[in-house]
Amino acid sequence: GESVGLHLPTLSVQEGDNSIINCAYSNSASDYFIWYKQESGKGPQFIIDIRSNMDKRQGQRVTVLLNKTVKHLSLQIAATQPGDSAVYFCAEMVTSGTYKYIFGTGTRLKVLA
Amino acid sequence: EPEVTQTPSHQVTQMGQEVILRCVPISNHLYFYWYRQILGQKVEFLVSFYNNEISEKSEIFDDQFSVERPDGSNFTLKIRSTKLEDSAMYFCASSGGLAVAQYFGPGTRLTVL
Repeated sequence: GESVGLHLPTLSVQEGDNSIINCAYSNSASDYFIWYKQESGKGPQFIIDIRSNMDKRQGQRVTVLLNKTVKHLSLQIAATQPGDSAVYFCAEMVTSGTYKYIFGTGTRLKVLA
Repeated sequence: EPEVTQTPSHQVTQMGQEVILRCVPISNHLYFYWYRQILGQKVEFLVSFYNNEISEKSEIFDDQFSVERPDGSNFTLKIRSTKLEDSAMYFCASSGGLAVAQYFGPGTRLTVL
């Protein structure tokens, strides 16, 4: 989910459990999607991306799922670790014609020991 | 591992003054970007730069803003006459192509008094 301003939705998970973070994107013409991780005081860090001709892509411990029908993106983190604690946000992009990057507000992931 | 660097880490300026934020993108990257993030809010796209010219800009990037690649390594953002609402974190990013992973710098915190 998304929210505005300081009140980020928070997902708390136990260390070792799987995490699922969701994102609703806004533009049906978007054809490229990225998940970023942002730790406090740092710049966004690229995690994984997916193009609109795919519905699933896997990386190391992470999987991104894309459902274009409902404009929904999710990030699954397997075996969540304390170092995964951060704000996660998705970004969407239209790559044809005038391209724009739109970032979501983010979800705060807290990993409980 | 190559990374994007930004200077200064924190810039304090008086309203109406000009500021220049500096970035050194990853050396073999071709696309360069500036983003801003107002405290507690989402990352907002400002401008992208390719082949020594602006390729896209957002509504935020008005005549007060300009970008330049003065040499083969630096990429700068100039704000001509700063306003209080320009206070934010400014992130530089670079990528090897369009619609591929963007790598962000650590950001410059701009405070306008």
